[in-house]
Amino acid sequence: EPEVTQTPSHQVTQMGQEVILRCVPISNHLYFYWYRQILGQKVEFLVSFYNNEISEKSEIFDDQFSVERPDGSNFTLKIRSTKLEDSAMYFCASKVDVGEKLFFGSGTQLSVL
Amino acid sequence: KNEVEQSPQNLTAQEGEFITINCSYSVGISALHWLQQHPGGGIVSLFMLSSGKKKHGRLIATINIQEKHSSLHITASHPRDSAVYICAAVTGTASKLTFGTGTRLQVTL
Repeated sequence: EPEVTQTPSHQVTQMGQEVILRCVPISNHLYFYWYRQILGQKVEFLVSFYNNEISEKSEIFDDQFSVERPDGSNFTLKIRSTKLEDSAMYFCASKVDVGEKLFFGSGTQLSVL
Repeated sequence: KNEVEQSPQNLTAQEGEFITINCSYSVGISALHWLQQHPGGGIVSLFMLSSGKKKHGRLIATINIQEKHSSLHITASHPRDSAVYICAAVTGTASKLTFGTGTRLQVTL
């Protein structure tokens, strides 16, 4: 079965540093998402992306966050200046169309020290 | 704001038992997902449903749109079913998911 691929699987960074989390969605998918899960908490929506633009974002997704699909295959989440509270598992997800199954990547565990 | 509640939070069952996990949500939705999360963290979509009932192997999911309630059933449970099961409501034009807190299931021999 096709997979959503996320790299790296683990990322450790210092507070204030920029990080880029990378995702390769399934090739014919058109809808892309980032979610995060802080340890012990439920998964939270960050942002959705369709037709090369953000279609919806949560309150969490402030000016420190940005997303990009630079080359038609990668889908990246950038955090400009990381905070301790950004430590979480970040999941990328994609689907081919609105009513279709959602596929998740295996996640990137971000630790901000 | 949509709230998604699940019960129970934790569930221990013996192999072979019939298991039910419940999910309720507070606003209108276009669909609901049942997801499975294993200890390594990966999330897999088990079902997406907007009405009625779906079955896949030993798993059955039902939804009652009027009552804003869904259930996930596992028949003849097995230790390999041990995982966290999460319901997530689909809302908005972007079809974002609002997640429940999850039910941690442990099936013992």
